[in-house]
Amino acid sequence: DAKTTQPNSMESNEEEPVHLPCNHSTISGTDYIHWYRQLPSQGPEYVIHGLTSNVNNRMASLAIAEDRKSSTLILHRATLRDAAVYYCILMETSGSRLTFGEGTQLTVNP
Amino acid sequence: EPEVTQTPSHQVTQMGQEVILRCVPISNHLYFYWYRQILGQKVEFLVSFYNNEISEKSEIFDDQFSVERPDGSNFTLKIRSTKLEDSAMYFCASSEWGGNTEAFFGQGTRLTVV
Repeated sequence: DAKTTQPNSMESNEEEPVHLPCNHSTISGTDYIHWYRQLPSQGPEYVIHGLTSNVNNRMASLAIAEDRKSSTLILHRATLRDAAVYYCILMETSGSRLTFGEGTQLTVNP
Repeated sequence: EPEVTQTPSHQVTQMGQEVILRCVPISNHLYFYWYRQILGQKVEFLVSFYNNEISEKSEIFDDQFSVERPDGSNFTLKIRSTKLEDSAMYFCASSEWGGNTEAFFGQGTRLTVV
């Protein structure tokens, strides 16, 4: 699996936007970019995924660089409930397994 | 909202015993998975299951492990002869399709081997 690099931790204030970066310089043309998060003492939770175009859903937005070597997960207004470990994961088109890295621990300050 | 449910939430077992972890995936999903997370470590893929057979498994998923879909709703992970190092959180997940679709995870079963 192609590797991703994320900062170990980030902090944000409540109700402010958060931009979580992910580098994936060895991404192949058929790799999708997935984001999951894991709240304390819970199972991972799907956030969003995309291939080339930017994506929006009710939870977040995903901005993908034109060369696809990096992407950014955007939480538009952070809440305390968004404090979690966020994982950026690459998955082949025909793949099935999610390969979790260390992720980014997001702290949201009130 | 539909969810993946896992039972029990916590299982304590003696080393060498067999355990069965149970999962009820979301009803219209076709792909099922098991992952585990040892305390303080990364979430690790164990196995994926589709059409009543294993579609992919990791190096961790050795002969000690087996999976089964005994009926139309349950999906189980059996660990034969548990070892201390099997102590972990075990997560079941399901997805409607394989590949690049959203996977829904359960809350996990904490397995403690003593």
